[in-house]
Amino acid sequence: AQTVTQSQPEMSVQEAETVTLSCTYDTSENNYYLFWYKQPPSRQMILVIRQEAYKQQNATENRFSVNFQKAAKSFSLKISDSQLGDTAMYFCAFIQNFGNEKLTFGTGTRLTIIP
Amino acid sequence: KAGVTQTPRYLIKTRGQQVTLSCSPISGHRSVSWYQQTPGQGLQFLFEYFSETQRNKGNFPGRFSGRQFSNSRSEMNVSTLELGDSALYLCASSSDRGTEAFFGQGTRLTVV
Repeated sequence: AQTVTQSQPEMSVQEAETVTLSCTYDTSENNYYLFWYKQPPSRQMILVIRQEAYKQQNATENRFSVNFQKAAKSFSLKISDSQLGDTAMYFCAFIQNFGNEKLTFGTGTRLTIIP
Repeated sequence: KAGVTQTPRYLIKTRGQQVTLSCSPISGHRSVSWYQQTPGQGLQFLFEYFSETQRNKGNFPGRFSGRQFSNSRSEMNVSTLELGDSALYLCASSSDRGTEAFFGQGTRLTVV
């Protein structure tokens, strides 16, 4: 069974600084998808960034980028120029494929941006 | 394009009652999944429906059930509610060749 581990329960950083959230996962599969979701106090789970395992290039979405290390099964999220609106719970998630699988989530990292 | 819509947003029920939650997926999405989120257990998968058929099921008791209609809207039902069923219930939809899941805002269920 796949597992996802987020070892940082809480983090805080000053506004405009850069922060990196860690995620490791365990799978025996070669093709899969990895995600970072953001859950603000409004509770809606918002997709931040997606990485397909067969792609070697790290995904980037504006201020958000990932460091995907397939051999090490590591998938960290870097937030640059952090903003107050980035304050939220961040969940790392894994799915092998969307045909017949479920998303497996980590336990989350509570990120607080300090003004 | 409208997002995933969950109703109601909040519910308060008494132990022993039953409850039905609704989820309308993004137009054109036929896959709907349900997750339970609690502080202690985190996010746990309940079940997934595709084209009115349950494709995948998590490790929850039979009190938790669901269904999907021909328009892809899905409902989940919890019978004989227990205090431990208090949680945020999230619904997600994805397209047939989807590479990501889109979530609704959730239904906060409180059992008293």
